[in-house]
Amino acid sequence: NAGVTQTPKFRVLKTGQSMTLLCAQDMNHEYMYWYRQDPGMGLRLIHYSVGEGTTAKGEVPDGYNVSRLKKQNFLLGLESAAPSQTSVYFCASSYSWDRGWTEAFFGQGTRLTVV
Amino acid sequence: KNEVEQSPQNLTAQEGEFITINCSYSVGISALHWLQQHPGGGIVSLFMLSSGKKKHGRLIATINIQEKHSSLHITASHPRDSAVYICAAFRGAGGTSYGKLTFGQGTILTVHP
Repeated sequence: NAGVTQTPKFRVLKTGQSMTLLCAQDMNHEYMYWYRQDPGMGLRLIHYSVGEGTTAKGEVPDGYNVSRLKKQNFLLGLESAAPSQTSVYFCASSYSWDRGWTEAFFGQGTRLTVV
Repeated sequence: KNEVEQSPQNLTAQEGEFITINCSYSVGISALHWLQQHPGGGIVSLFMLSSGKKKHGRLIATINIQEKHSSLHITASHPRDSAVYICAAFRGAGGTSYGKLTFGQGTILTVHP
């Protein structure tokens, strides 16, 4: 029963490099989210998806792109990494909010450092 | 002012003490999450509640919707309770809205043996 799995768990990038973070969930959740967590700022929503093939911007989308080609996977891409993107990234998933309030499940996080 | 405020930001306790973490929010919500994050670890949902009180083991969460306030209590605290505790207010979906979770900044709890 894996829940939400993020890969990789750690990564160091040089400024300007690109990378993709993968989030996979096995709970058949419709909604998936990418957050970043920075000291003193709490979790902030980068992008989210309400279903396969659909994505939308959150609070801090600049510098990131996402794709949801399969329901179980949500990819977060950094095309040209910047030091300001050094952060811990969390993926989460949940059932559709249309069912009423519902619990969100979080991955273990990816610690990204951009030097 | 943040929409979700937690207090205290840091809390140190001795093993066995009763602990309370508070969460106040300024927006209308459908439910409130309490989450736990261990150092270097992921985030785990402890409670999701929309009214009254919930209890799980030594953890108790209460919410007062009218006062826009929630508390997380830990009875007989233990060093393994040391973690960051985060409250998140959930505003339900409406129309094309996805429903939004707004997070507090977290409370760092350290329990000494």
